[in-house]
Amino acid sequence: EIMVTQSPDSLAVSLGERATINCKSSQTVLYSSNNKSCLAWYQMKPGQPPKVLIYWASTRHSGVPDRFSGSESGTDFTLTISSLQAEDVAVYYCQQYYNTPQTFGQGTKVEIK
Amino acid sequence: QVQLVESGGGVVQPGRSLRLSCAASGFTFSSYAMHWVRQAPGKGLEWVAVISYDGSNKYYADSVKGRFTISRDNSKNTLYLQMNSLKIEDTAVYYCGRNVTDWGQGTLVTVSS
Repeated sequence: EIMVTQSPDSLAVSLGERATINCKSSQTVLYSSNNKSCLAWYQMKPGQPPKVLIYWASTRHSGVPDRFSGSESGTDFTLTISSLQAEDVAVYYCQQYYNTPQTFGQGTKVEIK
Repeated sequence: QVQLVESGGGVVQPGRSLRLSCAASGFTFSSYAMHWVRQAPGKGLEWVAVISYDGSNKYYADSVKGRFTISRDNSKNTLYLQMNSLKIEDTAVYYCGRNVTDWGQGTLVTVSS
């Protein structure tokens, strides 16, 4: 099973400032067929289903504001919110979908400072 | 547009069974693998099971293996999750999903005596 370790557990950021969330997989999640990493980022708000923000580690899903971006370096992945907005308060999860069982990080709660 | 609608949740006693359904529309259901994930109250996301596009391959999280069965009826565009020998720790909102991008609104399962 691929372990996915997410950090920090929570962070508080001022409106308009940058928020950075990290995720580390215990082994590669690089899909050889397209040379892309099988890593997604989700936003979850109370009472709502998971909303995918990023997949293939850095591909922004349709309709997602461009202040959200994903990057990678080997087995380290980062979700960056470049300028935090009030509506971005949520819990964020990373997920590897390289193999089964698919695994999620433990979540990062983002709040306004 | 892609629509996934879960149903079948409710309150059930420990040891009993429940079957969840997920009605799909807006895409060629028979061409896609489908997943179930869940979120227990106050907890993070947990992947539960996946079934291949034709139902020939199924994989489960260790926490549900031997108790839950994922299945599909491509003629009805419907995904199922048969949950037997339910435990209190199975209490969660269950979401069906296609790829990483599309998720239903979820259905709540409460296992309580």
